[in-house]
Amino acid sequence: EVQLVQSGAEVKKPGESLKISCKGSGYTFTNYWIGWVRQMPGKGLEWMGIIYPDDSDTRFNPSFQGQVTISVDKSINTAYLQWNSLKASDTAIYYCGRHVTGTTFDYWGQGSLVTVSP
Amino acid sequence: DIQMTQSPSSLSASVGDRVTITCRASQGVSHYLAWFQQKPGKAPKSLIYAASTLQSGVPSKFSGSGSGTDFTLTISSLQPEDFATYYCQQYNAYPYTFGQGTKLEIK
Repeated sequence: EVQLVQSGAEVKKPGESLKISCKGSGYTFTNYWIGWVRQMPGKGLEWMGIIYPDDSDTRFNPSFQGQVTISVDKSINTAYLQWNSLKASDTAIYYCGRHVTGTTFDYWGQGSLVTVSP
Repeated sequence: DIQMTQSPSSLSASVGDRVTITCRASQGVSHYLAWFQQKPGKAPKSLIYAASTLQSGVPSKFSGSGSGTDFTLTISSLQPEDFATYYCQQYNAYPYTFGQGTKLEIK
């Protein structure tokens, strides 16, 4: 069974750093892209970017490039989304998803709530 | 970026109804269009890709059509579990973009 399990909720202060994770299981992790999607409170879905675990090839939404880092550790089947300096506007739920080459998401993680507050 | 516009933004319907949601792209995306369902407090669920192909396990009451710039999602015989927010997404060109969502509510 394909599963993507994300790390738990985080509460951080502005300026702090954070790295959230997404661990895949039940499939060959290096054969599928992993993507990240942001959902701000009460809002819709925003595509942030995707990474190919086999070679770390990355495609970014320009709106997020420079604001976050997407990385992967294929030895432990885990993808990451990282901030160096959080802002209040980063408060959102972040979903990871398995992204099939040539198509789009088929399986999703459960979401990670990030709250940034003074 | 390709802008995706869904209509309506919200829709009221009754159990047993058939409803159609429209998604329009600001430029052609061929058949590279997906639909997702999201219930409150839950992760999105993938329904359709390639405009009309059902994801594994998705019931045939969901159907998609369209190509180029205009697409539709049709849900037949609405059941209580179908009331949710639906999003379209194009994956023809980076950055992939979602529509703003259509909230389907019980009348």
